[in-house]
Amino acid sequence: QQQVKQSPQSLIVQKGGISIINCAYENTAFDYFPWYQQFPGKGPALLIAIRPDVSEKKEGRFTISFNKSAKQFSLHIMDSQPGDSATYFCAALGGAQKLVFGQGTRLTINP
Amino acid sequence: DSGVTQTPKHLITATGQRVTLRCSPRSGDLSVYWYQQSLDQGLQFLIQYYNGEERAKGNILERFSAQQFPDLHSELNLSSLELGDSALYFCASSNQPNYGYTFGSGTRLTVV
Repeated sequence: QQQVKQSPQSLIVQKGGISIINCAYENTAFDYFPWYQQFPGKGPALLIAIRPDVSEKKEGRFTISFNKSAKQFSLHIMDSQPGDSATYFCAALGGAQKLVFGQGTRLTINP
Repeated sequence: DSGVTQTPKHLITATGQRVTLRCSPRSGDLSVYWYQQSLDQGLQFLIQYYNGEERAKGNILERFSAQQFPDLHSELNLSSLELGDSALYFCASSNQPNYGYTFGSGTRLTVV
């Protein structure tokens, strides 16, 4: 119940395209859903986050879509750029107050 | 710079040895979390401290222990090291419940 399942494991997108990463969860106690971006040799950095009272949140080229009934959320990266190439982790946080992470998606943007 | 400082950045040690990883949280953050990241396991939660007290434990091995000191810095102690303990160890901190954490740059541990 504490798991967050993330897909795909890796993703290759052409420059200017849309990158989409999906996550699903089981625990309905989760009430905070952040996405982290990690570059090689660096720690994960908070990218964007959403709470279940909204269905979508947009920050620049990054959008989270949230489907509470399906217990799914996704990250969309519009106009993907080579600098977006990184590993992306979805996560969920709830009453236990510890972040549970998905397995990560290695995103490569081809120029 | 995230404000969370981890030392050392790299550590190479032999099997059976003991090491200590150090973390200074972001100023004002009372909670410290330790995570292990290996290639095939993603980010695995180890342990959480809040203002000096242990708050939550994940899949932390008995050979591993941690503590948070009065100045809020934290140390993760890994003993009787095995090859499989080679990983990136991240510390994160937060100042509010149910908000995202700020991660440090990690300590890369290599056990040979």
